[in-house]
Formats: sequence, C-alpha cells, structure tokens
Amino acid sequence: DTAVSQTPKYLVTQMGNDKSIKCEQNLGHDTMYWYKQDSKKFLKIMFSYNNKELIINETVPNRFSPKSPDKAHLNLHINSLELGDSAVYFCASSPYEGTNGYTFGSGTRLTVV
Amino acid sequence: AQSVTQPDIHITVSEGASLELRCNYSYGATPYLFWYVQSPGQGLQLLLKYFSGDTLVQGIKGFEAEFKRSQSSFNLRKPSVHWSDAAEYFCAVGAASGTYKYIFGTGTRLKVLA
Repeated sequence: DTAVSQTPKYLVTQMGNDKSIKCEQNLGHDTMYWYKQDSKKFLKIMFSYNNKELIINETVPNRFSPKSPDKAHLNLHINSLELGDSAVYFCASSPYEGTNGYTFGSGTRLTVV
Repeated sequence: AQSVTQPDIHITVSEGASLELRCNYSYGATPYLFWYVQSPGQGLQLLLKYFSGDTLVQGIKGFEAEFKRSQSSFNLRKPSVHWSDAAEYFCAVGAASGTYKYIFGTGTRLKVLA
C-alpha cells in the first residue's frame, strides 16, 4: 500500500483552467502539507493542515485553495491557472508537528500551456 | 530567520569513493535537522534526522551525518558510494516545537561514475 498517494501524477492543462490535485495518506498521521517544487528543484511550503485545521498558509495566491475533508485527505484546487504555476506539487504527511520527518507522495507534475 | 545552504549544486564521484555533502543552517534555537533523497521522478525519502543526543547519526542506505553546532553544519557522508545513490539530496531544518514546516536547502545533485 502506498503511504502517501497523489493523483494525478501528471497534469497538462491550458491557462485559465481550474484543476484539482488529490492526496491521501494511510499512515494515521495528524498533519498534511502541500509543497511546491519549482524548475530549479527549490521546495517551498504552501499549506499545512493538522487534523483538518489549516495551520500554515504561506504567501500563496488565493487562486490556490486547499481542502481537508478529514485528516487522511488533503486536496489542492487551483483556479485560473497561469504559466507560472507549472511545477511539481508534493503532498506530505507527518505525525504531530513533523519532528519525526515527513513522508512524501511521489508528486504531481503540473504543466500549464 | 531560518535558512539552509547547500553550497554544492552538483557533485560527481566515482563508484566506491567516499562522499560528503555539505549543509549549513541558520537558526536561533535548537533545530531539527534532516536529510532527504529524491530519485528522478520520485518524492523525497527521509534518510536521517537529528535533534539531540549523539552528534553522529546513522540513517538508511548506509548514510550518516554529523551535527557540528560550532559550525552550524550538518554534513551527510557515505564511506562508499553505489551507482544507485545518484539522486538529488536535500537538507532541511525545522523548529524544535510549535511549527510544522521545514525550510529546505536548494539541493545537491549527485552523479556517480561507474
């Protein structure tokens, strides 16, 4: 069983479209995250939820909206996609506060054309 | 503010040679420190972590890292590199408590020559 699974793995879409990425973890972790990895491999946190509560909301355009229906799921919806949104988006999870490290999903490569 | 620096963007070593990847951090209190590895097309996998105790920590895949507070460094080492170690390596720092996010370094790409 995959511990942290993301769908889809690849997403190619046109500018202006709206898309969603889904993430599920079966580790029983309390906290889930979305990270963005740009073309230079730089990883930056976007959001974090702890037991369905938003706890981190970095400086991210409000076109990005996370949703956590339960502590095992964290989805990312992106409105009005722009070229600059092209990146790899990683979901991750951790026990409380992440002090034991994250478990990452395999990523969603988003390409906006 | 927290920051992590990985001075080497690319490193090339021969298979069987030793490896050291550098990581320097800036943090006002005692940090949690991590090394992750990312193989092509994959997510990041935790290699090892440090918070307190013995400053030399052992991780998976034969890796180890040494915390040196005086140098604000947490360098990753492996005595003998295998071709399968070719990947991107990321150092990360997290606060000791009260926060849930890590700051990642920019990564070091390791190439292994046969």
